[in-house]
Amino acid sequence: AQSVTQLDSHVSVSEGTPVLLRCNYSSSYSPSLFWYVQHPNKGLQLLLKYTSAATLVKGINGFEAEFKKSETSFHLTKPSAHMSDAAEYFCVVSSANAGGTSYGKLTFGQGTILTVHP
Amino acid sequence: NAGVTQTPKFQVLKTGQSMTLQCAQDMNHNSMYWYRQDPGMGLRLIYYSASEGTTDKGEVPNGYNVSRLNKREFSLRLESAAPSQTSVYFCASTPGWGRQTQYFGPGTRLLVL
Repeated sequence: AQSVTQLDSHVSVSEGTPVLLRCNYSSSYSPSLFWYVQHPNKGLQLLLKYTSAATLVKGINGFEAEFKKSETSFHLTKPSAHMSDAAEYFCVVSSANAGGTSYGKLTFGQGTILTVHP
Repeated sequence: NAGVTQTPKFQVLKTGQSMTLQCAQDMNHNSMYWYRQDPGMGLRLIYYSASEGTTDKGEVPNGYNVSRLNKREFSLRLESAAPSQTSVYFCASTPGWGRQTQYFGPGTRLLVL
């Protein structure tokens, strides 16, 4: 079984300040983790993904996330927010099944709405 | 190369009416998925097709049916729409079955009155 909890439903920051969006996951087996972004009335776009290589993952638009197995966390950060970062962000998990083969179904977190103030 | 396309973009139905949401991808992907998105609930998997010729239920399949028409197309059918099916529906695809990046379509907004 797998699950994802995004710890904040809304985050508000000022332009130029750091962004932290928190995500905890639960997975029976080795997970892959993703962050997707959704701008208003748009589809979802992949920001970054972790698939058991380096634990610090760099994505597009200056975002990065660190996989911490001991804390079962995969928090998303950005050093300096931009107005164009205002969107909804989804943390997503996919894990292998009991047989160890890849498991294609994704489980989404509830989403975090990021607001950026001028 | 359009990626994943969905039609229609927006639809209003009356309770009990039926309709089919269309999805097509031009990336030669093997696996396709249908999700619904409701406020505060993220995306939930309705049905998926790991490869052409196969379909399986996801987390919330009740009230829906799917058809994997060919490798490119994966349709979602509501036989008798209910207000609880008011949602935004997203189609997605991946090159194969596994922990891969999913490519999403732009979505279909459905309102059931």
